[in-house]
Amino acid sequence: EVQLVESGGGLIQPGGSLRLSCAASGFIVSSNYMSWVRQAPGKGLEWVSVFYSDGTTYYADSVKGRFTISRDNSKNTVYLQMNSLRADDTAVYYCARGSAFDCWGQGTLVTVSS
Amino acid sequence: QLVLTQSPSASASLGASVKLTCTLNSGHRTYAIAWHQQQPEKGPRYLMKLNSDGSHSKGDGIPDRFSGSSSGAERYLTISSLQSEDEADYYCQTWGTWVFGGGTKLTVL
Repeated sequence: EVQLVESGGGLIQPGGSLRLSCAASGFIVSSNYMSWVRQAPGKGLEWVSVFYSDGTTYYADSVKGRFTISRDNSKNTVYLQMNSLRADDTAVYYCARGSAFDCWGQGTLVTVSS
Repeated sequence: QLVLTQSPSASASLGASVKLTCTLNSGHRTYAIAWHQQQPEKGPRYLMKLNSDGSHSKGDGIPDRFSGSSSGAERYLTISSLQSEDEADYYCQTWGTWVFGGGTKLTVL
């Protein structure tokens, strides 16, 4: 069964750091584009970052320079390192597979607050 | 810059059909998109990939009641025989230039 499971969310103070994980099963992450998408409370979906199968990465302007996407092929897992967190980073963070996001995880909540 | 435009809301009666629209801005009318459904308090669910010629490929387990079509810069999601569980937010999305539409909240009356 194709599945994505996110973890690592929680409550963090402004300026802090957090690393999210997205563990995949049923397919190989290194053969796919893998993205992070977030949804702030009551808002729509916002693309955050993508890791292409060739290792190229891209970021939304809102997180560029603060967030880093990475991949561990041995663990079939994708990560999102989030630094210098701000209140407006508060959201549920989802990982998704492929260009058309044909598989989504259940999400992990990140709350940035003092 | 690619922009996907969706109406904020739509409504239709139980058992009826509804057609949701996602519009690509000028210069991007040949782009393919994907449609996603998000039921209340749940994560998004992939519905289908929809090409500019109207051909589409649906996700596993997506009922035949869901179909896609295209006309120019418009990409459509049609849901027939509406059921209560179809009440949800629907998002269109594209890739390369990674963008979501603002979403349409569908109410089933």
